[in-house]
Amino acid sequence: QVQLVESGGGVVQPGRSLRLSCAASGFTFRSYAMHWVRQAPGKGLEWVAVISFDGGNKYYADSVKGRFTISRDNSKNTLYLDINSPRAEDTAVFYCARERSYPTFFFDQWGQGTLVTVSS
Amino acid sequence: QTVVTQEPSFSVSPGGTVTLTCGLSSGSVSTSYYPSWYQQTPGQAPRTLIYSTNTRSSGVPDRFSGSILGNKAALTITGAQADDESDYYCVLYMGSGKPWVFGGGTKLTVL
Repeated sequence: QVQLVESGGGVVQPGRSLRLSCAASGFTFRSYAMHWVRQAPGKGLEWVAVISFDGGNKYYADSVKGRFTISRDNSKNTLYLDINSPRAEDTAVFYCARERSYPTFFFDQWGQGTLVTVSS
Repeated sequence: QTVVTQEPSFSVSPGGTVTLTCGLSSGSVSTSYYPSWYQQTPGQAPRTLIYSTNTRSSGVPDRFSGSILGNKAALTITGAQADDESDYYCVLYMGSGKPWVFGGGTKLTVL
């Protein structure tokens, strides 16, 4: 069955860096665009970034542009999110999600999330 | 900046019907935005309910339905049950190379 398992969360100091991973299994990872979505404590879901199936296209929310980098390794079936210069407001549960693309566009599979806490 | 609007909260009686909406701060929601809906209970990952406006995801009961009502996307729950008490989020696809946008979510209470 399809599985997405995030890891790499934890406590990070402001200004340090952190890499999140999302290990995919049960489907042909290289065929799907993948996203990161986050949720601050007690808040709603916020789209963060997307990467195309081959890694050739990447797009970011304005709130993270220039600080976060999405990438993937299709040989390892793994999605990544590098969080650079984190701020307190980046504290959130980060979910990876699989995109179902044209002729429809939605998130059809979600991981369980990994919590990132930015604190000194 | 695109803002997707949802009712912050809604209440429905068990067995009742409720319609949650998903609008745009400027303009109308159409099928071209491929509106989708997600259910989330505290501490859990989101669950996909509806995509492409009105298609139920696998395993979703038929008491959940999606539509376009006027200038908004809508999620209707018919015959609400206690375990429908959750947060509901809509998402709009804004086009290739553009951000996907979540609504702020609706907290549904069943009582």
